[in-house]
Amino acid sequence: QKEVEQNSGPLSVPEGAIASLNCTYSDRGSQSFFWYRQYSGKSPELIMSIYSNGDKEDGRFTAQLNKASQYVSLLIRDSQPSDSATYLCAVPRGRDDKIIFGKGTRLHILP
Amino acid sequence: DVKVTQSSRYLVKRTGEKVFLECVQDMDHENMFWYRQDPGLGLRLIYFSYDVKMKEKGDIPEGYSVSREKKERFSLILESASTNQTSMYLCASGVNEQFFGPGTRLTVL
Repeated sequence: QKEVEQNSGPLSVPEGAIASLNCTYSDRGSQSFFWYRQYSGKSPELIMSIYSNGDKEDGRFTAQLNKASQYVSLLIRDSQPSDSATYLCAVPRGRDDKIIFGKGTRLHILP
Repeated sequence: DVKVTQSSRYLVKRTGEKVFLECVQDMDHENMFWYRQDPGLGLRLIYFSYDVKMKEKGDIPEGYSVSREKKERFSLILESASTNQTSMYLCASGVNEQFFGPGTRLTVL
């Protein structure tokens, strides 16, 4: 099993709808989880961090964490064309300071 | 805001040349990282450093070396560039949360 898995997409969502991005991880000892947004040709930008089970909201973004099921998700409400990007899930590996990145999900918001 | 800068956005080099990619961060982070990113392969860790003069191999260190003489600066060195090192190179700093520089798109001809 890969350490961090994401559906590569593309995920197409109509403008104004909710985009739901999912990520599963294999290390049960992981304590923190991150979502990065990467526009084409640009570097990844940290948009959300979550450390506890449940939901964390920041503007139109909500991160959801379920440690028992080992998944973390990102919801984007009222999707905008500017949300079209690749979203990377990242999970620090417990035994060292490395972060394991998923390969990303390409999100396309349809105008 | 954390600022991570990289010496070049675009670089074109010839096979066999020695290439230096530099990264500077202004947040006094101890941890710094070098990744390369290729389509379909995602982000792959080349080297990282926990402190000045300390370095650790990542997942794909072959063909690369690094230097960290000052806390804020982490350099990636391609000893003898090859065409399969054509890629986007990303520097990052931070513990847990990593902050990325703008990237250097390197083309080796």
